[in-house]
Amino acid sequence: AQKITQTQPGMFVQEKEAVTLDCTYDTSDQSYGLFWYKQPSSGEMIFLIYQGSYDEQNATEGRYSLNFQKARKSANLVISASQLGDSAMYFCAITNAGKSTFGDGTTLTVKP
Amino acid sequence: DAGVIQSPRHEVTEMGQEVTLRCKPISGHDYLFWYRQTMMRGLELLIYFNNNVPIDDSGMPEDRFSAKMPNASFSTLKIQPSEPRDSAVYFCASSLAGTGFDYGYTFGSGTRLTVV
Repeated sequence: AQKITQTQPGMFVQEKEAVTLDCTYDTSDQSYGLFWYKQPSSGEMIFLIYQGSYDEQNATEGRYSLNFQKARKSANLVISASQLGDSAMYFCAITNAGKSTFGDGTTLTVKP
Repeated sequence: DAGVIQSPRHEVTEMGQEVTLRCKPISGHDYLFWYRQTMMRGLELLIYFNNNVPIDDSGMPEDRFSAKMPNASFSTLKIQPSEPRDSAVYFCASSLAGTGFDYGYTFGSGTRLTVV
């Protein structure tokens, strides 16, 4: 069984600052993928970034980067230069054999 | 591509009625997932299909729920009879499984179901 833990129900960050959203996972699989999704207040789910378990380099996508520490089983999302539009709920997920397990999410609020 | 298309966007129904949610995945995607999202339980996987075949339906809450995928471009999730505790947002998502896991899910806009 796979499990994702997001320990921060809510986070605040000042506009233009960086913020880290925590994610730890538990799996017995050797091969898996880690994903982050964004859910704005409008409700849609948007894929942000992916990290494979065998990738040695941390994934980056624009202002998003994934701080992957395999030994600690953590996959934190770092958002640089926060913008007001980043205010949303963020979900971490682990995928194996096509099936994803999601965490409970972290609500991020960006303050002007 | 138009993305994953779900219908209806909103559904209000009376307890005991049958509800059918529809999903059209992205063409070429070979996985299709149905999720339910509530404040209390978060995102729950109900069932998923690979190449139109149900792979894991262990998340389907009870026999009142059923899902079908008659072809690669269409899936339905049916609740019969519906109950107030079924009120939630139901998401359909599709993905393309490759040699790695580079492919995130593409979610539909969701169907907000209210059972009164």
